[in-house]
Amino acid sequence: AQKVTQAQTEISVVEKEDVTLDCVYETRDTTYYLFWYKQPPSGELVFLIRRNSFDEQNEISGRYSWNFQKSTSSFNFTITASQVVDSAVYFCALSVANSGYALNFGKGTSLLVTP
Amino acid sequence: EPEVTQTPSHQVTQMGQEVILRCVPISNHLYFYWYRQILGQKVEFLVSFYNNEISEKSEIFDDQFSVERPDGSNFTLKIRSTKLEDSAMYFCASSLTGARNTIYFGEGSWLTVV
Repeated sequence: AQKVTQAQTEISVVEKEDVTLDCVYETRDTTYYLFWYKQPPSGELVFLIRRNSFDEQNEISGRYSWNFQKSTSSFNFTITASQVVDSAVYFCALSVANSGYALNFGKGTSLLVTP
Repeated sequence: EPEVTQTPSHQVTQMGQEVILRCVPISNHLYFYWYRQILGQKVEFLVSFYNNEISEKSEIFDDQFSVERPDGSNFTLKIRSTKLEDSAMYFCASSLTGARNTIYFGEGSWLTVV
């Protein structure tokens, strides 16, 4: 069975602080895909990143960076110099072949960035 | 930039009524999905659809639910007899060749059953 755990339910930071959102996953599959999505207050789901299990290279995109570590089954997301517009719920998700590649979402982390 | 579009954005219906939620996936995509999110909870998979048939479905997707691709562009989710617990945001999504590619979501259809 697959499982995604986002232990942080809510995080509150002051603008310009760095913040890391944790994601721990469980799967027996050797091939899998990890995703992060952002859900702003307007409700839509915005794709941020996809990683496959064979690519452990970390990625940076502007103020966003992702740290994928298979040894700890983690795929953490860091926002550098946070801004008020980063306030949203962030979901980590996992897909594997055994489940037809359906996305299995974590419960999400609600991030509030205050001025 | 191509996007997944959903209608209606919000629908209120009485318990027991049939509801059809509509989606237009990204035009060259081959895999289509419905997910739902009950208020304040995580996003849950309902069903995936490929080559004009269901390829995967969750336990949530019982006989009350059905999906259809009536023409070359629309993808619909029908709930035959709505229950209060069907109140949720329903997201349509599509991907080019399955979840090995990115899954793009629509803006959601908020269903309220009263």
